[in-house]
Amino acid sequence: KQEVTQIPAALSVPEGENLVLNCSFTDSAIYNLQWFRQDPGKGLTSLLLIQSSQREQTSGRLNASLDKSSGRSTLYIAASQPGDSATYLCAVRSNDYKLSFGAGTTVTVRA
Amino acid sequence: DTAVSQTPKYLVTQMGNDKSIKCEQNLGHDTMYWYKQDSKKFLKIMFSYNNKELIINETVPNRFSPKSPDKAHLNLHINSLELGDSAVYFCASSQSGVDGYTFGSGTRLTVV
Repeated sequence: KQEVTQIPAALSVPEGENLVLNCSFTDSAIYNLQWFRQDPGKGLTSLLLIQSSQREQTSGRLNASLDKSSGRSTLYIAASQPGDSATYLCAVRSNDYKLSFGAGTTVTVRA
Repeated sequence: DTAVSQTPKYLVTQMGNDKSIKCEQNLGHDTMYWYKQDSKKFLKIMFSYNNKELIINETVPNRFSPKSPDKAHLNLHINSLELGDSAVYFCASSQSGVDGYTFGSGTRLTVV
C-alpha cells in the first residue's frame, strides 16, 4: 500500500523567501506524481505533473523534482508571495490507477 | 468551460436521508473517481470507474453506491446518511495511462 508523507505540515515565511516542500512515498512503482494547491474551502488546482521517467518539471516560479528510487519529490516555490498561501498536496499515482495523497503542507506567506 | 463539475456544491441534510451527488467531465477522459476529504483534510479514494466499469472500490460502507451512466458522468448515491458521512466529496477524472488528474470543486456534505 502506498504511503505518502509531507513535511513540514505547516510553514510560515516572509514574502520573498523561497519555499521548499517535501514529499516522500513508500512504493517506487509509480506512474507519476502530481502537486496540487488547495485554497481554504476550495477544490484542488493542479500545479505540476511529473511522469515517472522525468526528473523535474517547471512552471513559472514553481519547480518540482522527482527521485523515484529514493521515493522523494520536492516542490520549490521561488520568491514567495502572499498569494502563494494555501495548502500544497503531493499525490502519487500508483500502477493500480490510485492517486494516494499526502496530508499536505499549509503555507503562509507573510506580507 | 468547467472541466469537472459537481452538483450540488453544498448539501445539508438530516440523518437517515438518501442523497445523490452528480459529477460530469467534458475532458474526454475515460476514468472518473470519487474522493472523500475528511475533517483533517486528508483525501482518500472511494471509487473509480474506467469506461463505465468499476475498477476501484475501497473499503466504503455499502450505503455508498456509485453509478456511471456513461464515461462522462459518475454519480454518487448515499443511503441512510450518518453524521460521520459529513465531509467534502471530490470528483476527479483522468485519462488512463500517464495523464494527471483533474478535480472538481467539491461538494460539502453536512449531515445534521
